[in-house]
Amino acid sequence: AQTVTQSQPEMSVQEAETVTLSCTYDTSENNYYLFWYKQPPSRQMILVIRQEAYKQQNATENRFSVNFQKAAKSFSLKISDSQLGDTAMYFCAFRSGGSNYKLTFGKGTLLTVNP
Amino acid sequence: GAVVSQHPSWVICKSGTSVKIECRSLDFQATTMFWYRQFPKQSLMLMATSNEGSKATYEQGVEKDKFLINHASLTLSTLTVTSAHPEDSSFYICSARVGTGGRYSQPQHFGDGTRLSIL
Repeated sequence: AQTVTQSQPEMSVQEAETVTLSCTYDTSENNYYLFWYKQPPSRQMILVIRQEAYKQQNATENRFSVNFQKAAKSFSLKISDSQLGDTAMYFCAFRSGGSNYKLTFGKGTLLTVNP
Repeated sequence: GAVVSQHPSWVICKSGTSVKIECRSLDFQATTMFWYRQFPKQSLMLMATSNEGSKATYEQGVEKDKFLINHASLTLSTLTVTSAHPEDSSFYICSARVGTGGRYSQPQHFGDGTRLSIL
């Protein structure tokens, strides 16, 4: 079974600064997908960014980028120019390739952006 | 696009009653929907995978008779918590997968969740 580990239960960052959230996973598969989801106080799950394991290039979405290290099974999220609205729980998630669409979530990191 | 609507957003009811939660895909067809449970300050735990026109697949440890799932159409899945008790109080979230067939990279899109409180 796959496992996803987020070793930072809480983090804080000053507005406009950069912060990196870590995520590691364990799998024996070669083809899979990785996601970062954001859950603000409203509790809605919002997709932040995704990465296909077969792609070597790191995914980027505006201020959000990932550092995907396949050999190390690491998938960290970097948030640049942090904004107050980035305050939320961030969950790293793993999904196997193929037709199994189940997501395995990490325990989450609570990020607080301070003014 | 890819909007998932979940209703109700919050429900309070007495112990012993049954509660139905609806999950709708508003602008796409969802062959597969997922139901999660989330306790305060914890991660999402998958309860079951709901497939249109067939029986749901439950995760280990989830009581099938307690959490009834129906996926009668491509846009609607329902979760019914039967004979609810205080320990069933939790935040329930559904999600739906956009795309079919070979579009394996499509992510899940989530509803806004339902806060269930059993008195």
